[in-house]
Amino acid sequence: GEQVEQRPPHLSVREGDSAFIICTYTDSATAYFYWYKQEPGAGLQLLMSVFSNVDRKEEQGLTVLLNKKDKRLSLNLTAAHPGDSAVYFCAVSPLAVNTGNYKYVFGAGTRLKVIA
Amino acid sequence: ETAVFQTPNYHVTQVGNEVSFNCKQTLGHDTMYWYKQDSKKLLKIMFSYNNKQLIVNETVPRRFSPQSSDKAHLNLRIKSVEPEDSAVYLCASRDWGSYEQYFGPGTRLTVL
Repeated sequence: GEQVEQRPPHLSVREGDSAFIICTYTDSATAYFYWYKQEPGAGLQLLMSVFSNVDRKEEQGLTVLLNKKDKRLSLNLTAAHPGDSAVYFCAVSPLAVNTGNYKYVFGAGTRLKVIA
Repeated sequence: ETAVFQTPNYHVTQVGNEVSFNCKQTLGHDTMYWYKQDSKKLLKIMFSYNNKQLIVNETVPRRFSPQSSDKAHLNLRIKSVEPEDSAVYLCASRDWGSYEQYFGPGTRLTVL
């Protein structure tokens, strides 16, 4: 089945710097890609989702890159601030949304700390 | 407010007790999920329901049983909890024809 590896597990950056997180996946049929943020004691907040026909997507200081050839997904937070400190998860899902096999596979998470 | 709501926020219990967690979504979705997040933050799907029908049932101990009264509600009962059940249980929902899942705040279970 699908395997997702996420790195680094821990990341510490200074306020104003960029934070870069990478996920690699194994199934070439994977069609949808997601980034979630989890603040302490909270659930997962959807940051961005991209379909496999998108190579790059930018929204509100976040840049997602998708390299389908290398099966690599990345998230770049530009100009990080202390409020960005959280655990970030990537997730992937297949194309067949209307089936019982449709489910997310999550990366193991990256704990980001932004130092003021 | 449209969101995914979970109760309780926290629950502390002893080995062998029964616990129940509730999830309600007001997003108008028809598919709901239970995930378990362990102490290392690893997320694993447990169950998925579509319109009250169980569609995904991952390999979980039989003491776990989901229940859905309608498409907006999904509960989780754990009969005779074990120490390894200590975790955060996250509920999520989506539209059957949509790709994005939306998560509740989670219920943290501690088994003493």
